[in-house]
Amino acid sequence: QKEVEQDPGPLSVPEGAIVSLNCTYSNSAFQYFMWYRQYSRKGPELLMYTYSSGNKEDGRFTAQVDKSSKYISLFIRDSQPSDSATYLCASRGGANNLFFGTGTRLTVIP
Amino acid sequence: DAGVIQSPRHEVTEMGQEVTLRCKPISGHDYLFWYRQTMMRGLELLIYFNNNVPIDDSGMPEDRFSAKMPNASFSTLKIQPSEPRDSAVYFCASSPTSGPGGGNIQYFGAGTRLSVL
Repeated sequence: QKEVEQDPGPLSVPEGAIVSLNCTYSNSAFQYFMWYRQYSRKGPELLMYTYSSGNKEDGRFTAQVDKSSKYISLFIRDSQPSDSATYLCASRGGANNLFFGTGTRLTVIP
Repeated sequence: DAGVIQSPRHEVTEMGQEVTLRCKPISGHDYLFWYRQTMMRGLELLIYFNNNVPIDDSGMPEDRFSAKMPNASFSTLKIQPSEPRDSAVYFCASSPTSGPGGGNIQYFGAGTRLSVL
């Protein structure tokens, strides 16, 4: 079993829709939770991160962590065609190595 | 800063040949990571270094894989001999210990797309 599991999709939505991306993790020691975005033929780049449980908002993006159920979510409001990419969730404990999900490919249709 | 620089961007080789992938991390970053990405398995950590010292190489699939970091500005990942199942995109990433986000922010290079025929 992978440390972080993610629905690979693909997910296709119309422009303006609310997108929900989800992951689960297995290691109770994980304290940091991240979302990376990867455009085609590029390396992943950090979108946002949270520490422990709770919500964090950044513009149209909201990251949510529920440590009791080991559930990680990313919500995208008013989705845009430029949001089309693969989204990877990641987690870590005290060490600096990250455990990534397999990624969810999102397409926002104009 | 130019970001993490990887070379080559594409590599096509024949089974049994030696392959060397190169990475120049962002100046001042003390962590360097090597990943492999495939459709089936996603992004897998192969090895990571802290201050040029290998910390965890448990992700290196076999003895055919080796990685070195002779100094703070250069690292190599070598596959010898290469096999078709090694075909993947290999990413190098670097990270600072301190600063906003600390170890959560890894800066990735553009990757090397390896095809072993």
